[in-house]
Amino acid sequence: AQKVTQAQTEISVVEKEDVTLDCVYETRDTTYYLFWYKQPPSGELVFLIRRNSFDEQNEISGRYSWNFQKSTSSFNFTITASQVVDSAVYFCALSTNNAGNMLTFGGGTRLMVKP
Amino acid sequence: DVKVTQSSRYLVKRTGEKVFLECVQDMDHENMFWYRQDPGLGLRLIYFSYDVKMKEKGDIPEGYSVSREKKERFSLILESASTNQTSMYLCASKLAGPPDTQYFGPGTRLTVL
Repeated sequence: AQKVTQAQTEISVVEKEDVTLDCVYETRDTTYYLFWYKQPPSGELVFLIRRNSFDEQNEISGRYSWNFQKSTSSFNFTITASQVVDSAVYFCALSTNNAGNMLTFGGGTRLMVKP
Repeated sequence: DVKVTQSSRYLVKRTGEKVFLECVQDMDHENMFWYRQDPGLGLRLIYFSYDVKMKEKGDIPEGYSVSREKKERFSLILESASTNQTSMYLCASKLAGPPDTQYFGPGTRLTVL
């Protein structure tokens, strides 16, 4: 069975602060894929990143960065110099090479960035 | 530009009604998915389809059925709506093959009275 845990249900920061969203996953598969999605108030999930289990390199994209650590089964997401537009619900998800490649989602973290 | 559309953004139905939620994608994707989203629970998979007329149960299929007669369209059916099916329903699609990005529709917020 697969499981994704996002322990932080809600985070509130002031604009320009850095913030890290935690994600811990469980799977018995050795090949798996991790994702982050953003859900702004409009409701539509927006894909942010995909990472496979063989690539532990951290990634940076603008103000976003991701820290993948297999040793702790974590895939954390950091926003540097947060902005009000970053306010959204963020989901971490896991998928393996099973039928349909289903995504198992964490419960989500609601990020509120205040001006 | 990739596009997944859902027939309604908001829907209000009464207990016992039959409800159809429609999803259409224009990306020629083989795989399509229906999720429901509830606070604190994230998204949970109801059903998915990996090709036309093929369907598989997800984690919470009870009370739902699906139909995929054409590649671009995947319908979720609530045979007899109940109040505990009040939720946000999200449709997604992806290409066949290894796990890859799923593209999501805007969601349908269903309220069952």
